[in-house]
Amino acid sequence: GNSVTQMEGPVTLSEEAFLTINCTYTATGYPSLFWYVQYPGEGLQLLLKATKADDKGSNKGFEATYRKETTSFHLEKGSVQVSDSAVYFCALRKGGSEKLVFGKGTKLTVNP
Amino acid sequence: DAGITQSPRHKVTETGTPVTLRCHQTENHRYMYWYRQDPGHGLRLIHYSYGVKDTDKGEVSDGYSVSRSKTEDFLLTLESATSSQTSVYFCAISEPMDGYEQYFGPGTRLTVT
Repeated sequence: GNSVTQMEGPVTLSEEAFLTINCTYTATGYPSLFWYVQYPGEGLQLLLKATKADDKGSNKGFEATYRKETTSFHLEKGSVQVSDSAVYFCALRKGGSEKLVFGKGTKLTVNP
Repeated sequence: DAGITQSPRHKVTETGTPVTLRCHQTENHRYMYWYRQDPGHGLRLIHYSYGVKDTDKGEVSDGYSVSRSKTEDFLLTLESATSSQTSVYFCAISEPMDGYEQYFGPGTRLTVT
């Protein structure tokens, strides 16, 4: 079946550090891939997405590239801020499906 | 922000009592979803709806029922709440023309004592 595996957290970084959160997936065909972010006490917000191989999604300084050869969609940011502290979820949507499959989430804490 | 509200935002109830959570949208999106979020499990789909009176089960539907009598409202009912249903519940909406991109409500924190 379809599944998403994220690196386990929590991840703690200092401000201005480089961030990578790993995400790999298992799915048949060509799924769409997403990163969602959840700030404390809030619902999830779409951060970025990619719908086909080699697409790069980007938003708010975050980037992720859809790598079909490695079935990965790693999230990166060059210089994190305290305000990036949140839980990050990787998700996939199989083509033709109305449902998302989520990873378990990675909690990021950025210290000043 | 997508127009999605959930009510109540917080609820404490006793084991064995019925509980209904409401999700309301102003976006006229066709699809609505109910998830639960628990530590170590991420988000898990409970039920979803693809139109008025059209619903289907998700991966953790036991103990839950849903109803959708209007496009804008999707209700989640726990017929007889148990402590294992203590969780944070999120509603989401999507529209096929948007590629099923999901927009989430603010969540309801439910505690069953």
